[in-house]
Amino acid sequence: GAVVSQHPSRVICKSGTSVKIECRSLDFQATTMFWYRQFPKKSLMLMATSNEGSKATYEQGVEKDKFLINHASLTLSTLTVTSAHPEDSSFYICSAREARGENTEAFFGQGTRLTVV
Amino acid sequence: SQKIEQNSEALNIQEGKTATLTCNYTNYSPAYLQWYRQDPGRGPVFLLLIRENEKEKRKERLKVTFDTTLKQSLFHITASQPADSATYLCVGGAGNKLTFGGGTRVLVKP
Repeated sequence: GAVVSQHPSRVICKSGTSVKIECRSLDFQATTMFWYRQFPKKSLMLMATSNEGSKATYEQGVEKDKFLINHASLTLSTLTVTSAHPEDSSFYICSAREARGENTEAFFGQGTRLTVV
Repeated sequence: SQKIEQNSEALNIQEGKTATLTCNYTNYSPAYLQWYRQDPGRGPVFLLLIRENEKEKRKERLKVTFDTTLKQSLFHITASQPADSATYLCVGGAGNKLTFGGGTRVLVKP
């Protein structure tokens, strides 16, 4: 199946700093990528939908100024957690789907464990 | 609001038996359902996709069904092995929108 690479897999940062997470589709083009947050023993919660060349669409309750999303190319989307605080500590996962229409499977990155100290 | 519900949080099963997981959807009609495996600290791994006009799909020891009358999908792992122990996610799809179930944690005991 298609491969989505997410980097870094783990990051520890100090409170008040910013952290960037990258999501790359390695062997296909993804016009749309998705960013999720997952709390322990819970399912994935969609944060935003990232569209190549345009602004991301954020879900209700997600601060767009805190979670900056950039989708500069068909294979790369980035999520920047700005001025991180301990409550931002979580598991962040991206996913992408091939640009060959709807009703196709989504492929997920390996996830990034963010710890803010 | 549209919901995907997986009715058991955890399923313990003996090695070699068939594990059956249930996924029910309410308040909408997904065009397709996807099943993923997620191991602790990892992203979900795609297993199977079944569309609303398909009754059943198989892949190796996995089988998934889609019953639009019952609004339910069943996911079977036959001849289960300890390596199958993981959380399995049912995901409903309509266009670009995905709705996630809470997951079922499967533990296969040797």
